[in-house]
Amino acid sequence: QVQLQESGPGLVKPSQTLSLTCTVSGGSISSGNYNWGWIRQPAGKGLEWIGRVYTTGRTNYNPSLMSRVSISMDTSKTQVSLKLSSVTVADTAVYYCARGRVGDNGLVDYWGQGTLVTVSS
Amino acid sequence: EIVLTQSPATLSLSPGERATLSCRASQTVSSYLAWYQQKPGQAPRLLIYDTSNRATGIPARFSGSGSGTDFTLTISSLEPEDFAVYYCQQRSIWPDSFGQGTKLEIK
Repeated sequence: QVQLQESGPGLVKPSQTLSLTCTVSGGSISSGNYNWGWIRQPAGKGLEWIGRVYTTGRTNYNPSLMSRVSISMDTSKTQVSLKLSSVTVADTAVYYCARGRVGDNGLVDYWGQGTLVTVSS
Repeated sequence: EIVLTQSPATLSLSPGERATLSCRASQTVSSYLAWYQQKPGQAPRLLIYDTSNRATGIPARFSGSGSGTDFTLTISSLEPEDFAVYYCQQRSIWPDSFGQGTKLEIK
């Protein structure tokens, strides 16, 4: 059973960089059958894709965040990382790590439990 | 970006009743429409993918239908554990997008 666990600071100051890590257990992240991404959800609001990374290193980023986001993976550590720069209070949200099936056009079949990140001075 | 509009925003029903949730896309998404259920404090759970396919372990009371731009999630007879927020999601064109959600509450 694949498990995804997000980790990182729960509080980030405005203008700084938000950095989160997703550690995957119970399976390899090296398989080309899957991509790995990040989705966020502000409190009481809907879900927004941030971006995803493939084992080839290719990435897809949401155009609304593209200038500030970077997603990468470390297969040796089975980790996926998210960096979001120049954060504002609007970036306060629960951040989820997610696995997508490449052969199913990115269908997300596994989610992490989510981690709350608050942007505040 | 494809915009998904869900209706109603809130649906108040009793256990045992039938629930019908709608999702309309701003342009065709082919059959790449999924439904997720989210309970408070939890990650979303995949219910239906590719319009009408139930995910592993999802009860038969959940069904999906539709095509092109109009899709429906039906719960044939509500169980107490079904009261939650439901999101539709398209993955036809990146960025994959979600609807704003329908809250299914106990009447």
